[in-house]
Amino acid sequence: AQSVTQPDIHITVSEGASLELRCNYSYGATPYLFWYVQSPGQGLQLLLKYFSGDTLVQGIKGFEAEFKRSQSSFNLRKPSVHWSDAAEYFCAVGRMNRDDKIIFGKGTRLHILP
Amino acid sequence: DVKVTQSSRYLVKRTGEKVFLECVQDMDHENMFWYRQDPGLGLRLIYFSYDVKMKEKGDIPEGYSVSREKKERFSLILESASTNQTSMYLCASSRPAGSQANYGYTFGSGTRLTVV
Repeated sequence: AQSVTQPDIHITVSEGASLELRCNYSYGATPYLFWYVQSPGQGLQLLLKYFSGDTLVQGIKGFEAEFKRSQSSFNLRKPSVHWSDAAEYFCAVGRMNRDDKIIFGKGTRLHILP
Repeated sequence: DVKVTQSSRYLVKRTGEKVFLECVQDMDHENMFWYRQDPGLGLRLIYFSYDVKMKEKGDIPEGYSVSREKKERFSLILESASTNQTSMYLCASSRPAGSQANYGYTFGSGTRLTVV
C-alpha cells in the first residue's frame, strides 16, 4: 500500500543552523513527491515537488529536496534556517493515474531556537 | 494570485446542527478535496470530486456529505454536528495528475470548527 513516513514528529534547531527533515515513502513505481509547509492557523503551502529528471529539486524559501530511489526517500534540506521557518512540514506522494489523490505524511513540527 | 477560499476561518456550532463549509477556487481546477486535520493524525481525506456533480468517499466520510454543483465550488456538509467533528477542515484543489507540471494541491486557509 502507498504510504509516507516522517519519522520525526518534532525537530528543534538553532537559528542559522542547517536543517534536514526526513521522508520515506512506499510505492510500487516512481511517484510524484511533494513537500508542503503549514504555518500556525494556516493552510498548506507547496514548497517544492519532484516528478522526474534531476533528483535535486529547488523550492521556495531556500529549501531543496533530494529524491533517492534506492532509499525511497525525499528529504528536505535548508542550509541555514531562519526564525520564520518555524512551522509544520508535510511530505506527500501522489500518483500518475486517474486517482489523483495525494497521500500526506503526519508532519514534522520544526522549532527554531534563537 | 490564484486562490482557494474557505468562507469561514472560525465556526462554533451546537451539537445536532447542520453545518455547511464552503470552498471556492478560481483556478478552473477539475479536482477538489476536503480534509480534516487533527493533532497527531495528520490530514485525513473526507471526500473528493473530479468533476461537477461527481463525488467520491475518502478515508473518513462517515457523518459528512458534499455537494459540487459548480466547478469552482465544493461544499462540505455535516448533517448533524457532533463534538467529535471539532477539527480543522482544509479544502484543496488541483488539476489532474496527468497534467504533471501543474499537478499539486492548492490549499485554502482552513476552517477551525468547534462543536459544543
